Amino acid sequence: ETGVTQTPRHLVMGMTNKKSLKCEQHLGHNAMYWYKQSAKKPLELMFVYNFKEQTENNSVPSRFSPECPNSSHLFLHLHTLQPEDSALYLCASSQEKGSGANVLTFGAGSRLTVL
Amino acid sequence: SQKIEQNSEALNIQEGKTATLTCNYTNYSPAYLQWYRQDPGRGPVFLLLIRENEKEKRKERLKVTFDTTLKQSLFHITASQPADSATYLCALDMDTGRRALTFGSGTRLQVQP
Repeated sequence: ETGVTQTPRHLVMGMTNKKSLKCEQHLGHNAMYWYKQSAKKPLELMFVYNFKEQTENNSVPSRFSPECPNSSHLFLHLHTLQPEDSALYLCASSQEKGSGANVLTFGAGSRLTVL
Repeated sequence: SQKIEQNSEALNIQEGKTATLTCNYTNYSPAYLQWYRQDPGRGPVFLLLIRENEKEKRKERLKVTFDTTLKQSLFHITASQPADSATYLCALDMDTGRRALTFGSGTRLQVQP
């Protein structure tokens, strides 16, 4: 295990469902991220949390709602998604030091299929 | 905004040869350029990074170069093995303001036995 655990690994949902993705990091990091990965496209940054505070929302539609109750847990709540939202959703964490390299540790991802 | 180009075509090489992957970027040079490996159905795993004032960095069979004039990084795997087959992503770390990394789309490497 990489130290970042994502559940579920696979999720199939209809467009009217509500579901959540969960991420937990066991590394003592202070920053957590959600990225979206679609086929043949670069990873797209969605949200950044630092010390539980959201520091970046990369123009993500409101049907995606993040929640960070503490610095070890991150959720992505999903509601009325579209088929084009089908992708691999990756959670990552890092120890942001203000300066110096920011190396990310990723989870294995949650493969989402929207029917 | 920054754009990153990695060769979208898969790279096929013979076992034992050196694989060379390219990462080109536009606009500002990052403070660090990072390389990750991603296997199918898994998240990316950090391999190594190079600072903007470094020309070359090595780690075992891996070598990274960084040319801020060309705005390019090259990633080399020497004595390649079938187990090196994966997608390799480069990422820009600006070390200022926005700290989240900006990733390229990756190059898939296939090493034939």
